[in-house]
This record gives sequence, structure tokens and C-alpha cells, in this order.
Amino acid sequence: EPEVTQTPSHQVTQMGQEVILRCVPISNHLYFYWYRQILGQKVEFLVSFYNNEISEKSEIFDDQFSVERPDGSNFTLKIRSTKLEDSAMYFCASRLGQGSTDTQYFGPGTRLTVL
Amino acid sequence: EDQVTQSPEALRLQEGESSSLNCSYTVSGLRGLFWYRQDPGKGPEFLFTLYSAGEEKEKERLKATLTKKESFLHITAPKPEDSATYLCAVLGAGNNRKLIWGLGTSLAVNP
Repeated sequence: EPEVTQTPSHQVTQMGQEVILRCVPISNHLYFYWYRQILGQKVEFLVSFYNNEISEKSEIFDDQFSVERPDGSNFTLKIRSTKLEDSAMYFCASRLGQGSTDTQYFGPGTRLTVL
Repeated sequence: EDQVTQSPEALRLQEGESSSLNCSYTVSGLRGLFWYRQDPGKGPEFLFTLYSAGEEKEKERLKATLTKKESFLHITAPKPEDSATYLCAVLGAGNNRKLIWGLGTSLAVNP
């Protein structure tokens, strides 16, 4: 069964460093998302991506964040200068895009720890 | 503003003891309500999608129902492997299908 994969599973970084989180969405899906979940809090939407451009972003997704689909399979989230409050689980999701309400499928997540 | 509230926050059951989890939502025009299961340190795993009031979906020991204001996830004769956090989410406004999430119900099923 096709699945979303994410690497690394755990990333530890120093405050101010750049990190890149990687995702491989399900191969025929057209819409891609990043969400994050701070420990003990709700899952929060960060950004949606379609047709090689951002279609919506939240207030959290400021200038320190960027997304890219560098090739036909990978989808990346870059945080330019990490802050302590960026520590969270980051989830990538994808959906097929055939219907307006079709399901988003999630990857296993990357745990980001900023020291 | 779209909002999702889940109750209870935590639930402990004995194996075989049926119960229900609640998801109340406020959204301008519901276009989809989703139930996911999340194990510790893992990503949300899709369970059900409900689109309109009166709709029901079933999968093994789980049954999801939907009204105009809330959804229930009924767990019949749970087993220890059903222990997880159950998350509810609704589709937000706009065309990009972002999900608005509840905090989840942490379910523990004791053998």
C-alpha cells in the first residue's frame, strides 16, 4: 500500500541553524501539506502546495519557512534559522486531488528538537 | 472561526467495555469531518471521512456517526491494541483543504 515517507525521523539542531525536512508523498498525489504538532498541543496547519506553488499558508509559516518540490518525488520544508519554539513533530501529508474533500494521508513525522 | 473540541481528553476502559468519543465542531459549511488514529510518536492514520449529517461509517470495532454539530466515534468491545489517541479534524474554509484539528482523546484499554 502506498504511503507517505519522511526523513529524518529525528533531527536535533542548534538554535539559529538551518534544517531541511524531507517528505516523499504518495506518487500520484497532487496536493501536499505540512503540519506541525507541539507536544501536548493540537496539530496545526502550516502550508499547502499545489502545482509547484504555495496555495495557502498559516500565520506560523513566516519568512523563516520555505517549501520546495525539487524533483518529481520529494517535498521539502526548510526552516532557515531555527528557534527553540520550532521544536515539534512535523508531518507531511498528501492527497490525490480528485475530489474536493478527499483524504489527506500523513507520513510518520520528523521530530525536530532545537537546543 | 472554525473550531473542533474533543471530549473526554482521556479515557481508560477495560477490555470489552464499549464507549464513545465526542467531537464537537463549529465550521461555516461542513465539507468533511475526518477521524484519525495516532500512536505515540507516529503520524495520524486515517480512519473515516463523514460528509453529511446522518452518515455512519464502520471499521472493525469502530463506528463513526455525524450530526450537524458533532460526531461520535463508538468503540465496541475494545481490545488493548485499540489504545491510541483518536483525532478529529474538519475541512477549513477556503479551497486548499487545510484540516482544523481537535486536541484528541487519549484512549487506554486495559486487558
